[in-house]
Amino acid sequence: GQQVMQIPQYQHVQEGEDFTTYCNSSTTLSNIQWYKQRPGGHPVFLIQLVKSGEVKKQKRLTFQFGEAKKNSSLHITATQTTDVGTYFCAGIMDTGRRALTFGSGTRLQVQP
Amino acid sequence: NAGVTQTPKFRVLKTGQSMTLLCAQDMNHEYMYWYRQDPGMGLRLIHYSVGEGTTAKGEVPDGYNVSRLKKQNFLLGLESAAPSQTSVYFCASSSGLHEQYFGPGTRLTVT
Repeated sequence: GQQVMQIPQYQHVQEGEDFTTYCNSSTTLSNIQWYKQRPGGHPVFLIQLVKSGEVKKQKRLTFQFGEAKKNSSLHITATQTTDVGTYFCAGIMDTGRRALTFGSGTRLQVQP
Repeated sequence: NAGVTQTPKFRVLKTGQSMTLLCAQDMNHEYMYWYRQDPGMGLRLIHYSVGEGTTAKGEVPDGYNVSRLKKQNFLLGLESAAPSQTSVYFCASSSGLHEQYFGPGTRLTVT
């Protein structure tokens, strides 16, 4: 079936190192959203990308949407312990279903 | 504003029992969703609603039913619980296909 894949599943970094998670869809996405879930918490919205090739920044976080609108990435510069959590991408597929399909997430652990 | 609330927070059921999870939102959102989250599986959509009185199936609807009688409430029912339904259940709401606001979750264990 149509799905959204995310890699890596898990990453452990030293504080100050950079981190990137990648999201790939089996079909074109009309938009993509990114969420962060802290351990024991609920997903919290970070950003939405809509246009092909779009790049958005939020302080140390950079989000990209691929030219073909089938992939996306989240890059964190100089990680901090507050960045710990699981990062999910989620996209609206061109299937007519008016709902997000979530990736399986990338769990980030930051060693102080 | 409370945002999205879910009741109960925790529940333990025996196989075959039934229960209803309640989701309420005070943001006047049209869209509401029920997800389940299992370790390593991300969030999987069970059912969703794009307006009062409407519901639609998501990725994993089997064994669940939903109702949206009022705009602010979205109920998820398990008619005959099975151990495979042990999970954390999240409700979310949104204004159209935009940012989703999630509730705190319900941790359900079926023994």
